[in-house]
Amino acid sequence: DAGITQSPRHKVTETGTPVTLRCHQTENHRYMYWYRQDPGHGLRLIHYSYGVKDTDKGEVSDGYSVSRSKTEDFLLTLESATSSQTSVYFCATQDRENTEAFFGQGTRLTVV
Amino acid sequence: GQNIDQPTEMTATEGAIVQINCTYQTSGFNGLFWYQQHAGEAPTFLSYNVLDGLEEKGRFSSFLSRSKGYSYLLLKELQMKDSASYLCAVMDSNYQLIWGAGTKLIIKP
Repeated sequence: DAGITQSPRHKVTETGTPVTLRCHQTENHRYMYWYRQDPGHGLRLIHYSYGVKDTDKGEVSDGYSVSRSKTEDFLLTLESATSSQTSVYFCATQDRENTEAFFGQGTRLTVV
Repeated sequence: GQNIDQPTEMTATEGAIVQINCTYQTSGFNGLFWYQQHAGEAPTFLSYNVLDGLEEKGRFSSFLSRSKGYSYLLLKELQMKDSASYLCAVMDSNYQLIWGAGTKLIIKP
């Protein structure tokens, strides 16, 4: 299994505060993704990265930013958390474009 | 727009066979994936189809018809541990994965 670690695993934060979620991989995969998963919806792509300092927006990027300064780390920041960002966040990595994605354990974020 | 449809929930009996369908409309096609996700856990890869036909992997098989925009996941000899959500995802022309909402499979003894 790919070594993908997300931190923290659980977080409760207040509306309006900034929050950073971390994804760390030990597989040297080029591609990294941040998704959110909500009941009744499929996984929705927030941001993705094709390499160091090479990131792009997904379908639900508003209110989120990312950074990738090293191959192994992909950070997701909620600039000012809102209740609508309460969700489970998954990081995923891919070795090549048309191969399977490997997922981290997820981060359950609650914004109160 | 892009759309992946799969049933919300299915129920089956231990030892039986179940087929989970997935239909899709996407901008281009670079393959279809099936993932399994147990409650509270991460999705894990089950199968990948890029050409028409059936791919068999132990108790699990996956079928693809590109002309019909249709796939199914077939699970045989169901076990209680197969109770999970099954996610269908299509890789579009930009190599982005488009995900269905998942099918929750309930296995009864």
